[in-house]
Amino acid sequence: GQQLNQSPQSMFIQEGEDVSMNCTSSSIFNTWLWYKQDPGEGPVLLIALYKAGELTSNGRLTAQFGITRKDSFLNISASIPSDVGIYFCAGLRSGNTPLVFGKGTRLSVIA
Amino acid sequence: DGGITQSPKYLFRKEGQNVTLSCEQNLNHDAMYWYRQDPGQGLRLIYYSQIVNDFQKGDIAEGYSVSREKKESFPLTVTSAQKNPTAFYLCASSIGGAGGPTDTQYFGPGTRLTVL
Repeated sequence: GQQLNQSPQSMFIQEGEDVSMNCTSSSIFNTWLWYKQDPGEGPVLLIALYKAGELTSNGRLTAQFGITRKDSFLNISASIPSDVGIYFCAGLRSGNTPLVFGKGTRLSVIA
Repeated sequence: DGGITQSPKYLFRKEGQNVTLSCEQNLNHDAMYWYRQDPGQGLRLIYYSQIVNDFQKGDIAEGYSVSREKKESFPLTVTSAQKNPTAFYLCASSIGGAGGPTDTQYFGPGTRLTVL
């Protein structure tokens, strides 16, 4: 099955730095979702985007639904140690089709 | 509390044995999903069900089976035919069907299966 191209694969940053990650696809998606997974736990939904061009914030997190509908971006501002984890993007083409997931971005924060 | 539960958290089985993983939700969601996660592989879809008594194969259904006899339950059986069953298994659910917010998936805590 198709997967989204998520980058970077991993990143190491200093506490307090801002972080950016993105997902791209050759296909159009109608919904973009961003999840965070802590070790040994299930992914937790961070932000959901339903309209092209939409920019949505959740605390220090901001995500955008690309205007072409083929990409999405997640930014984390002023990172803290508890931001450590794996961040996944997921796209949905239409109702009654399964989500397509990226392979994740592993974030490490150095205090 | 509404949510998705998976049990047990850790499961050990001998090679050649079938094993069933439990997934229950009390969110009144129509759609449920099973994913497998291996290190560095992201999430891969095994099976999904959009309504009771109906389910479809995902990308890696071989060696697995499911049933959906009740709306709130979607058990996954890992059969002896699955060549490499050791993995982290995640169940998810969504309201289902119409696109947009109704297809946003929420995940359970996962079951780590180790086959010895």
